[in-house]
Amino acid sequence: DQQVKQNSPSLSVQEGRISILNCDYTNSMFDYFLWYKKYPAEGPTFLISISSIKDKNEDGRFTVFLNKSAKHLSLHIVPSQPGDSAVYFCAANSQGGKLIFGQGTELSVKP
Amino acid sequence: DAGITQSPRHKVTETGTPVTLRCHQTENHRYMYWYRQDPGHGLRLIHYSYGVKDTDKGEVSDGYSVSRSKTEDFLLTLESATSSQTSVYFCAISEEARGNSPLHFGNGTRLTVT
Repeated sequence: DQQVKQNSPSLSVQEGRISILNCDYTNSMFDYFLWYKKYPAEGPTFLISISSIKDKNEDGRFTVFLNKSAKHLSLHIVPSQPGDSAVYFCAANSQGGKLIFGQGTELSVKP
Repeated sequence: DAGITQSPRHKVTETGTPVTLRCHQTENHRYMYWYRQDPGHGLRLIHYSYGVKDTDKGEVSDGYSVSRSKTEDFLLTLESATSSQTSVYFCAISEEARGNSPLHFGNGTRLTVT
C-alpha cells in the first residue's frame, strides 16, 4: 500500500505561470513532509519542508501548503521557470528520519 | 551533492552474480540510507544505518545486505543479482534522524542485471 501518493505523473505549465504539484498521504503520524527535485542523471535535492503543525511554509518562489484534515499537501511554484523542469518527489517522515516517497511528478515548464 | 560519492556510476552484471555498490561520504554524518528508484514507485528504502556496524532493514530489503565498518562508507551488496534488481540506486546521508534534518543524496548508480 502506498502511504504517499502523487497521482499526476506529469504536469506541463507555461513559463511565468503557477505550477501546483499535489501529494496525498494516509498516515496521520507523519511529522514532516518534504519536497525533492530531481534532474536526470542526478540525485534528488532537497527543496522545502513543512512540519505537521504548520499549514504553510514559503521559500522564495516555492510554497508548500499542508491540509491535515484532507491528508493533502501541495507545492506551488510562482513564477515557473524553464529551469524548474524536473521530477518532483513528495516525501513524508515516518520515524527516525526514514522518508517514504511518492511516485514523483514530472514538471515541464515551456518557454 | 553534500560530499557523497557513489561507485560505480553504471554497472551491467549477469543474473546470479554478486554485486557491491559503494557509498562514501565526507560529511561525517551518522545516518546513511540506500534507496532504489523505479518507475511508478518513486524511491523505496532498502536498508539504513544509524552508526558504525548498526544497520536495519527498510521496506524492500529482500535480496540485499549492507555493511558499515567506517562512518564514511556504506556498502550495499546484492548476494545473487536478479533482473528485478535492475534499478537506479541512491545513497543518502543525514546529520540527524529527524524529519527536519533532510536527507542529502548522491548521484546514483544505474545497475542493469541481464
